[in-house]
Amino acid sequence: GEDVEQSLFLSVREGDSSVINCTYTDSSSTYLYWYKQEPGAGLQLLTYIFSNMDMKQDQRLTVLLNKKDKHLSLRIADTQTGDSAIYFCAELPYSGGGADGLTFGKGTHLIIQP
Amino acid sequence: DAGVIQSPRHEVTEMGQEVTLRCKPISGHDYLFWYRQTMMRGLELLIYFNNNVPIDDSGMPEDRFSAKMPNASFSTLKIQPSEPRDSAVYFCASLLSQEGTEAFFGQGTRLTVV
Repeated sequence: GEDVEQSLFLSVREGDSSVINCTYTDSSSTYLYWYKQEPGAGLQLLTYIFSNMDMKQDQRLTVLLNKKDKHLSLRIADTQTGDSAIYFCAELPYSGGGADGLTFGKGTHLIIQP
Repeated sequence: DAGVIQSPRHEVTEMGQEVTLRCKPISGHDYLFWYRQTMMRGLELLIYFNNNVPIDDSGMPEDRFSAKMPNASFSTLKIQPSEPRDSAVYFCASLLSQEGTEAFFGQGTRLTVV
């Protein structure tokens, strides 16, 4: 079955870049997502990338995909205190016949130091 | 659309009692997912439906858990009898099965079983 791994904590200084890493196991065509969860709130989709792409940029967010190594990263430029949250990597295998369930990592808690 | 709506937001119940969590997906979405989030296990997929039909319930932890989707706009997750280890945040998500779609999450129901 699918497995998504990510480190549990990341601490960065305000203004620095944050890089959150994720590895996945499914080798079929797949969508990969980054979700943000702030305390007491639900999951908010930040961005997603299809497995035939290498990179996607959206304002301060950059997603890099190394399909050979099945490695996904999320870079947040100029990290702010409002970026403090738990970031979930998720995988959605897509075979054209419909969607299976998203498989999530356990989440990376991003801690911002002043 | 108001997004995925879950109720209640918080539920505190005594061990042995029946608990029913409710979810209203986004109108027109054909997939609905139930997830459970705990610190120890992260985010786990419990069950998902396609066009109101349960597709995969392999994530349901025990027979005490059951889920129904009587129509396209409503789903329930029931725990009977509840146990303290069921305490978690339960998320519902819905998705439209087109390429490039995203799963939208509700705010979650925080369940505490004492």
